Amino acid sequence: LAKTTQPISMDSYEGQEVNITCSHNNIATNDYITWYQQFPSQGPRFIIQGYKTKVTNEVASLFIPADRKSSTLSLPRVSLSDTAVYYCLVGLISNFGNEKLTFGTGTRLTIIP
Amino acid sequence: DAGVIQSPRHEVTEMGQEVTLRCKPISGHNSLFWYRQTMMRGLELLIYFNNNVPIDDSGMPEDRFSAKMPNASFSTLKIQPSEPRDSAVYFCASSSGQGNTEAFFGQGTRLTVV
Repeated sequence: LAKTTQPISMDSYEGQEVNITCSHNNIATNDYITWYQQFPSQGPRFIIQGYKTKVTNEVASLFIPADRKSSTLSLPRVSLSDTAVYYCLVGLISNFGNEKLTFGTGTRLTIIP
Repeated sequence: DAGVIQSPRHEVTEMGQEVTLRCKPISGHNSLFWYRQTMMRGLELLIYFNNNVPIDDSGMPEDRFSAKMPNASFSTLKIQPSEPRDSAVYFCASSSGQGNTEAFFGQGTRLTVV
């Protein structure tokens, strides 16, 4: 799997938009980019996944530039409940289910009232 | 579906004892993952199964750890003998494995070895 690099921590105020960038310089052609969120004392939870350009769902947006060597998770108008660790994963989606989900160190996002 | 179910939620055991952690994946999912999480090492993938077959166990720390998946609805992670450094939260996750890397995690088992 391609190695990922994220900031260790970030702080933001409530109501602001938060952008967390992940670098994955050796991403392979068939790799997808996936983001997970983990609250204290819980297992990680899938947020969003994409291959290129922009993906948006009810929780977040994912921006992927043309070279795909980085990606940015965007959380609109954050609230205190968005305080969590956010993980960026890069890997192959296999039709045979042999994907290996390896988590990096993640970004600890703290929302300030 | 109730999601991925792990048991027990908490386990305290003495060093040298055998510990068995249990996981019931989401029905219909054919990939199952065991992770260990500590403050020092983060979230580590121990082993994953596809269609009940272990695909990659390179993350299993040593021979004291073993995992089985006797059928599609049940998996165990066993530590024998347990050591204080095994204290961690152990997560099980499952995914459909059909062109999708969305994995669903259980609530975890907090293991304390004293």
